[in-house]
Parts: sequence; C-alpha cells; structure tokens
Amino acid sequence: EVQLLESGGGSVQPGGSLRLSCAASGFTFSDYAMSWVRQGPGKGLEWVSVMTGSGDNTHYADSVRGRFTISRDNSKNTLYLQMNSLRAEDTAVYYCAKGRYAEAYNYFDPWGQGTMVTVSS
Amino acid sequence: DIVMTQSPDSLAVFLGERATINCKSSQSVLFSSNNKNYLAWYQQKPGHPPKLLINWASTRKSGVPDRFSGSGSGTNFTLTVSSLQAEDVAVYYCQQYYSIPLTFGGGTRVEIK
Repeated sequence: EVQLLESGGGSVQPGGSLRLSCAASGFTFSDYAMSWVRQGPGKGLEWVSVMTGSGDNTHYADSVRGRFTISRDNSKNTLYLQMNSLRAEDTAVYYCAKGRYAEAYNYFDPWGQGTMVTVSS
Repeated sequence: DIVMTQSPDSLAVFLGERATINCKSSQSVLFSSNNKNYLAWYQQKPGHPPKLLINWASTRKSGVPDRFSGSGSGTNFTLTVSSLQAEDVAVYYCQQYYSIPLTFGGGTRVEIK
C-alpha cells in the first residue's frame, strides 16, 4: 500500500524558514514524480512544486519561486520542501502527492494527510 | 498559465438525483499526438486530503463507484454523479496536467438537498 507521511509543519514568524519532509513507502520512489500542493484555510488547492522521479527537473509556482526549494533523497524515499522567507499567505496545509508518472506533467494519486504551516507574528 | 474555472461553486441535490459539475480550461488540454485530455477530477471530504476519482478526463480510477463519470474534451469538461449518495458530500476539484504550472479549478461543494 502506498503511504505518504508529511512532517515538519508548525508555526513560524514572517521571514522565517521551515523544512517539510514526506516519507514515502509502498512503491519504487525514484520511478515517480512527487509534488507539493497546499490548501489555505477554507480555500482551494494550489500546486506548489514538482520534482521528477530522477530528480533532474523541478518546477515551481510563481508564488513560491525563489523562496521554496524542492528536493528528494531517493535512497531514503523522502521528499523535502525547504521554505524560506515565509509570508502570511503561505499559511496552509501542505500535502505531498505522488505523481502517476516519472515526468512533471502529472495528476496526483495518492496524497498524504498533510502538515499545517502557520506564518504569523 | 491555464486557468481552470468550475461551475457552480456549490450545488444541493436530492439523494438519488444527478449532480453535474462543470470545468472549463482557458486553453485546450487535449494533446493532439495521443488524443488524450490532460484533465483529472478529485473528491475532498472535510478534514481529509483529496482523492483521485478520474484521470484523462474520463478514466475512472479503480475502486471508484461507477456512479461517477467524466466527460468532455478540449476546454469543456463535466463530472457527473448519476445518483447522489450521502457519502458523496464533498468538494470536487478539476486539475489540468497539460502544462506547468499545474492548476486546479476553484472547487464545487456538493451537498444534500
């Protein structure tokens, strides 16, 4: 069974940093692209970033480019999201989501349970 | 960026009746080389992550009840729940994976009338 378990969320002041992790199991991690998708309180879904299965290609939403960095350790079956220069509008539940294919252009199945990030002074 | 517009924002349907959700993309998500529409539908229940229902616009994921169906091509798509059940109360999202950035519709909340 595919499982995705996010961790690393919490409360941080504006301008601060956090690193999220997503531990994956139940599939050959390096064969699939992985994404981060977020959902602000009471809001819809917003794709944040994707990394291809091999790790050779990444993409970001304009709203986070230059502040967030996605990475993965295929030896540890773990996806990361380094979030710097956090803003109040980054407050959201952050989901880790498995792509159906190795390349970036993907739908998501399944999703992790999410980890909450709150940016507030 | 491809903008995904869903309608309505919410709808209330009697148990056993049909629910229809629309999704329109600002440009075609039909890839001509393989004739596939890069469009997925998700269901999200309160307090839970989204779950994939349909990919390639009309391919139901294994295990998804057959009362859920997807249709459409190019820029106009529909998710239909043929006979609404109590457990179908949720927010439904469409998503295009034709181009980066990957984008979602704003969601449609489905309730029981």
